[in-house]
Amino acid sequence: DAKTTQPPSMDCAEGRAANLPCNHSTISGNEYVYWYRQIHSQGPQYIIHGLKNNETNEMASLIITEDRKSSTLILPHATLRDTAVYYCIVGEGSARQLTFGSGTQLTVLP
Amino acid sequence: DAGVIQSPRHEVTEMGQEVTLRCKPISGHNSLFWYRQTMMRGLELLIYFNNNVPIDDSGMPEDRFSAKMPNASFSTLKIQPSEPRDSAVYFCASRGRGGNSPLHFGNGTRLTVT
Repeated sequence: DAKTTQPPSMDCAEGRAANLPCNHSTISGNEYVYWYRQIHSQGPQYIIHGLKNNETNEMASLIITEDRKSSTLILPHATLRDTAVYYCIVGEGSARQLTFGSGTQLTVLP
Repeated sequence: DAGVIQSPRHEVTEMGQEVTLRCKPISGHNSLFWYRQTMMRGLELLIYFNNNVPIDDSGMPEDRFSAKMPNASFSTLKIQPSEPRDSAVYFCASRGRGGNSPLHFGNGTRLTVT
């Protein structure tokens, strides 16, 4: 599976959009981009995933560049409850395991 | 949907004792994963099952660790004998059918071995 690079930490003001970047320059054509987050003492929570098109759900939007070498997770209106570690992972759709890196600690400030 | 259910939430035991962690995956999911999380090593995959069959146990640290999945709705992770370095949070996750289905995690078992 391809590796990802994320900034270790980011801050965002409450009510503003949080844009979390992820680089995955070695991604292969059949690998998906997945985003999870982990709030302290809880299990990782699935947020969104995509292959090449931008995706949106009730939690977030995922923007994948045309060359698929990077992506951005967007939380449109961050709240204090969005403070968490956010993991960007790439893996094949048919693979049965996903490798978690260090993630980005997002702190939403009041 | 109750999600992935793990028990117990917390376990404190003495070195040398046997520890059994339990997991009930989401109904209908056909893959199950055991992860361990520590501050030093982050989230590590220990073993995963597909249709109740162990597929890859290369992440299991040593023979003291064993995992079983006797049926589609139950799995155990056993440590015998336990050691202080096994202290960690252990997560179970399940995944549905479909090539790009995401993982769904339980809330973990915090294990402390004294």
